[in-house]
Amino acid sequence: DAGVIQSPRHEVTEMGQEVTLRCKPISGHDYLFWYRQTMMRGLELLIYFNNNVPIDDSGMPEDRFSAKMPNASFSTLKIQPSEPRDSAVYFCASSFRASSEAFFGQGTRLTVV
Amino acid sequence: KQEVTQIPAALSVPEGENLVLNCSFTDSAIYNLQWFRQDPGKGLTSLLLIQSSQREQTSGRLNASLDKSSGRSTLYIAASQPGDSATYLCAVTAYSGAGSYQLTFGKGTKLSVIP
Repeated sequence: DAGVIQSPRHEVTEMGQEVTLRCKPISGHDYLFWYRQTMMRGLELLIYFNNNVPIDDSGMPEDRFSAKMPNASFSTLKIQPSEPRDSAVYFCASSFRASSEAFFGQGTRLTVV
Repeated sequence: KQEVTQIPAALSVPEGENLVLNCSFTDSAIYNLQWFRQDPGKGLTSLLLIQSSQREQTSGRLNASLDKSSGRSTLYIAASQPGDSATYLCAVTAYSGAGSYQLTFGKGTKLSVIP
């Protein structure tokens, strides 16, 4: 397996635009996690899915953020409209169980200008 | 709310030294603790996972210990090499209610191994 695959690797967008980040988890993993990493706050869990169902979205900062997992091999994190304070590195991770080893993608570096 | 603290925030050592990174967490009701490595501009790589019932895990030059009752873990790196330079993050998995699990990260220790 190629690991967790995220796209794009880098995204620069203007304030107010819609941004969509994509993730392909490792095949067979039932859990998928979206994280945001900033210098100030470190790594924060935004939302996670179990068998494509959102379980905990309490970390989603605002209604501008939404996430979907239409099937076991694909998830999106959407920000609409984007703001400069959304600039961060967004990571997707997957695991076989909630309490098992988590595997991370390479991240998407988002810059909102 | 679970909080994970890593001290020091940065550490610089000469090549060949043995070193210890520290991690503490506030709620001892955890399922496991993981140590990750992050290289600049890269994702996280899992190094070791210790289940709550275990005391330590070893992989090569790395040894991680867990003292759940005191809320502490250490990552021991033997005979450090310049290639070990990276940020090391500690994370704990705990049940957060209503069928939900939470993986909470520390902010990491940035390690520099000087040749």
